[in-house]
Amino acid sequence: AQSVAQPEDQVNVAEGNPLTVKCTYSVSGNPYLFWYVQYPNRGLQFLLKYITGDNLVKGSYGFEAEFNKSQTSFHLKKPSALVSDSALYFCAVRSLNTGGFKTIFGAGTRLFVKA
Amino acid sequence: GAGVSQSPRYKVAKRGQDVALRCDPISGHVSLFWYQQALGQGPEFLTYFQNEAQLDKSGLPSDRFFAERPEGSVSTLKIQRTQQEDSAVYLCASSLSEARGNQPQHFGDGTRLSIL
Repeated sequence: AQSVAQPEDQVNVAEGNPLTVKCTYSVSGNPYLFWYVQYPNRGLQFLLKYITGDNLVKGSYGFEAEFNKSQTSFHLKKPSALVSDSALYFCAVRSLNTGGFKTIFGAGTRLFVKA
Repeated sequence: GAGVSQSPRYKVAKRGQDVALRCDPISGHVSLFWYQQALGQGPEFLTYFQNEAQLDKSGLPSDRFFAERPEGSVSTLKIQRTQQEDSAVYLCASSLSEARGNQPQHFGDGTRLSIL
């Protein structure tokens, strides 16, 4: 079965410092991996995706993520955090090999960036 | 441009009542998804449409839940005889195509359903 784990409920960083939000996954076959961000009372917004190719993926708002097949991880990173990055972040995975059309989301990690 | 629109934004109903939640996807988007998001959790898949065809309804929690997309655009999620455990935010998402499975989904702001 497909699954996604976000081991941290909350990540706290100071503005200007680098940030990492962790994600590990389990799928059969090749994964499609996504990161989304959610602001209060809003829907999810797409940040970036890994489909194939270069393991380092760059996305919106200066975010990037590194796909690590051996560790089955897809951690979200940003070199310099902004207060406005404070939000709820979701990692998601899907595989056409199993799971049909489903996308499986993690439970989310709340990022708090302190000025 | 217009994004995914959901209505109503908030719905309060008494236990046992029927409710209908509407989703207007981005024009031209083939795929439409419904999710249920409980407080403090990630979205949980409910059902998927490709145009007007409901290709996956494996996430619907009971036969009280019903979704349709009769003309391949607007979709309605209906919950009959609501229960308190149905209280959640219901998210709709659309994507340009699902044929290759790698398209990102565009989400609406959701309908927050509260069952009293």
